[in-house]
Amino acid sequence: KQEVTQIPAALSVPEGENLVLNCSFTDSAIYNLQWFRQDPGKGLTSLLLIQSSQREQTSGRLNASLDKSSGRSTLYIAASQPGDSATYLCAVGWTSGTYKYIFGTGTRLKVLA
Amino acid sequence: NAGVTQTPKFRVLKTGQSMTLLCAQDMNHEYMYWYRQDPGMGLRLIHYSVGEGTTAKGEVPDGYNVSRLKKQNFLLGLESAAPSQTSVYFCASRFTGSTPLHFGNGTRLTVT
Repeated sequence: KQEVTQIPAALSVPEGENLVLNCSFTDSAIYNLQWFRQDPGKGLTSLLLIQSSQREQTSGRLNASLDKSSGRSTLYIAASQPGDSATYLCAVGWTSGTYKYIFGTGTRLKVLA
Repeated sequence: NAGVTQTPKFRVLKTGQSMTLLCAQDMNHEYMYWYRQDPGMGLRLIHYSVGEGTTAKGEVPDGYNVSRLKKQNFLLGLESAAPSQTSVYFCASRFTGSTPLHFGNGTRLTVT
């Protein structure tokens, strides 16, 4: 069964710290992987999309990496700010031709001022 | 450019009532999805569509039906609502399997 796991479920860090969020998935035959941010009571905002042929993607202070062989992706946030506080979710699409994403349960991040 | 729009934003139903949730996108996207989000369970795929006139079941399709008569609209129906269907429902769309997924702001449904 294709599954996506995110650990830890919650994380609290002081402002300015660099941090890493983890996403693990079963079945390395993925098509792509996408990281999202969700603020309380809101929809999901796309942060980064990594295709299976890529190793990493960067956007501003965010860097996402992909290691298919180990079934892992990490989201690196540099110089964290209180405004980064949100839930971060990863979603994985596999090459089974079904075009659907499976989501992890997310990591709830709190950056303390 | 409105993106993905969900209607309504909130709804309260009594057990056994029916309703339809509407998702509309103006980005000419081929693929559309309905998810539900419950505390501790993340987002789970209900149904999806890979083009106009097509629909397919996701992880938790029971109790729901969908239709994609027009490319820009994806409707989610509850024929006989149950308290277990109390959830936040999200619609999403994307142009192809290689492009980012875009989400609507959600519909909060309570079934009493």
